[in-house]
Parts: sequence; structure tokens; C-alpha cells
Amino acid sequence: GQQVMQIPQYQHVQEGEDFTTYCNSSTTLSNIQWYKQRPGGHPVFLIQLVKSGEVKKQKRLTFQFGEAKKNSSLHITATQTTDVGTYFCATSGGYSTLTFGKGTMLLVSP
Amino acid sequence: KAGVTQTPRYLIKTRGQQVTLSCSPISGHRSVSWYQQTPGQGLQFLFEYFSETQRNKGNFPGRFSGRQFSNSRSEMNVSTLELGDSALYLCASSLGGTHNTDTQYFGPGTRLTVL
Repeated sequence: GQQVMQIPQYQHVQEGEDFTTYCNSSTTLSNIQWYKQRPGGHPVFLIQLVKSGEVKKQKRLTFQFGEAKKNSSLHITATQTTDVGTYFCATSGGYSTLTFGKGTMLLVSP
Repeated sequence: KAGVTQTPRYLIKTRGQQVTLSCSPISGHRSVSWYQQTPGQGLQFLFEYFSETQRNKGNFPGRFSGRQFSNSRSEMNVSTLELGDSALYLCASSLGGTHNTDTQYFGPGTRLTVL
């Protein structure tokens, strides 16, 4: 089945610094979804990308889907302590199933 | 609209026992998916139900089973528990159409500890 590799596994930044997590696949993806899981919480849907080269923004978050639809990135500008959590990329397979990357844990120091 | 609810939130069992977890989807959602989350393996798909039928199954042993009721509520069962079954079990609901781009909404999870 499809697999998505996510890097880095962990990143610790100072508040105000930027952060980027990357998601890669060896096969073409039909879509990529991004989720955020706060410590002790559950995954919360952030966004879905389906088109080649698509770029979407949500305030300080910028999501990109590669031209070949084999990679994606999530960039956070000027991190805040509220950005702490684990960010997962996922791709949907048959029907309502998701294959998740291992996630990038973000820690933000004030 | 109420979100996805899961019961119980926490559970402690011993090896060899069985456990049943429950998930109530968002009203109007007909698809319920189950995921296991562990520190080592991350989030792994267990199975998905739509209109009381299992449409997809992940790579888990037969000890893991599930079902869905006519009101879309779902249960999953794990028999003969092993230490490695300790995990956060998450369910997610979605509208469940035939396309694969439905947004999935996760419940708070059931934290299962096997001693």
C-alpha cells in the first residue's frame, strides 16, 4: 500500500522562528491531508490538497503539494507556543481510510 | 453539532481478556474508521465501516474486529489481549461517500492499557 515518509521526526524552535515539516512518497498521491495533534489530544484536520502544485494558506500556515504529487510541506511562519503539537500528513486510500506519516513533533520555547 | 464521542476514555485490562470500545459518529456521518496509535508504529488504520458493512480492513490480526449498527454507531472488539495492544484507539467519522476526499473527524480516543 501507499506509504508516506515524514521528516523531521522532531523539531524544537524558539518562539518567532519558522518551522517546516516535509512529507514524501515514492508513488503519486491522489491527495494529501494535514492534521495537528496537541499533546494528550486527538488529530484535528487542518487541510486537504488535491491538485498538482497546489498552495494553500491558513494565517501563518502554508501548505504545498508538489508538482509530481509525491511530496508536500507544511510551513509555519513565526511560530507561537500555541503551535506546539505533532503534525501529521496523511493520504487517503480506498473510501474513508487514511495512511499517516509518523508525524513531526514541534516544541516551541517562549 | 456534537463531535465524535468515544467510550470509555480510559481502560485497564490484563493479558488474555477482551475489550469492547464504542464510537458514536457525528450526526449524519455514515462512515466510521478505527485507528490504533502507538509511539512506535504511529497511527495505523484498523478498519472502516459504512452502512453496517466493513469496506476496508488494515493489516491487523483477527483478534481485532468491529461492527457498525444501523444508527452508524460502531464498536470494536479486541480479544485475547496482548501487552502490545496497549495504545490509543481513535475512531473517525466522515460522510463516507464513494470518493476518498471526505474530511475525517476524530474522536478523543480510548486509552487502553494492558497489564
